Amino acid sequence: DQQVKQNSPSLSVQEGRISILNCDYTNSMFDYFLWYKKYPAEGPTFLISISSIKDKNEDGRFTVFLNKSAKHLSLHIVPSQPGDSAVYFCAASGGSGGSNYKLTFGKGTLLTVNP
Amino acid sequence: NAGVTQTPKFQVLKTGQSMTLQCAQDMNHEYMSWYRQDPGMGLRLIHYSVGAGITDQGEVPNGYNVSRSTTEDFPLRLLSAAPSQTSVYFCASSLYRGNTYEQYFGPGTRLTVT
Repeated sequence: DQQVKQNSPSLSVQEGRISILNCDYTNSMFDYFLWYKKYPAEGPTFLISISSIKDKNEDGRFTVFLNKSAKHLSLHIVPSQPGDSAVYFCAASGGSGGSNYKLTFGKGTLLTVNP
Repeated sequence: NAGVTQTPKFQVLKTGQSMTLQCAQDMNHEYMSWYRQDPGMGLRLIHYSVGAGITDQGEVPNGYNVSRSTTEDFPLRLLSAAPSQTSVYFCASSLYRGNTYEQYFGPGTRLTVT
C-alpha cells in the first residue's frame, strides 16, 4: 500500500512559467513533508520541507503548500528554469510510532523545463 | 567535508555471490540509512541506524545485513546476491533540523546481479 503518491510520472513546462508538482498521502500520522530533487547518476538532494503545523513554506523560487484536510501537498517552482529539469521526490516522516527519522518516498515526477 | 561517500560506484555480481557496499560520512551524523531505488518505485528504506551499535530494519530488509561499529561507517552486506537485488543503492546520513531528520544522500552504487 503506497502511503505517498505522486500520480504524475512526468511534467513538461516552458522556461519562465510555473511548475506545479503534486503529492498525496494516506497516513494521517505523517507530520513532516520534504521534497528532494534528483539529477541522473547523482543522489537526491534536499530542496524544501514543511511541517504539518504550517500550510505554506517558501524558499526563493520554491514554495510548498500543504492541505492537511485533503492530505495533499504541492511544490511550486516560479519561474521555472532549464536547470530545474530533474526527478522530484515527495517524502513524508512521522507515521505510526512517531518515527520522524524514517522517510517514506513517492515514486517521483520527472520535470522537464524547455528553453 | 566530503559529505556522504559510497563505494563502489558500479558493481556486477553473479547470483549467489556476496559483497559489501561501503558508506561513510564525515558530518558526525548519528542517523544513517540505506535505500534502494528501482524504476518506477521511488526510494525504499532497507535498513537504518540511529547510532553506533544500533540498527533496525526498514521496509525491504530481506537479503541484506548491516552493522554500525562507528559513527562514520554504515556498510550494507548482500549475503547471497539475487537478480531481484539489481538496483541503485543510496546511503544517507541525517541531521536533525526543525521537526525532522534532513537526509543527505551519497551518489549511489549501481548494482547488477546476473
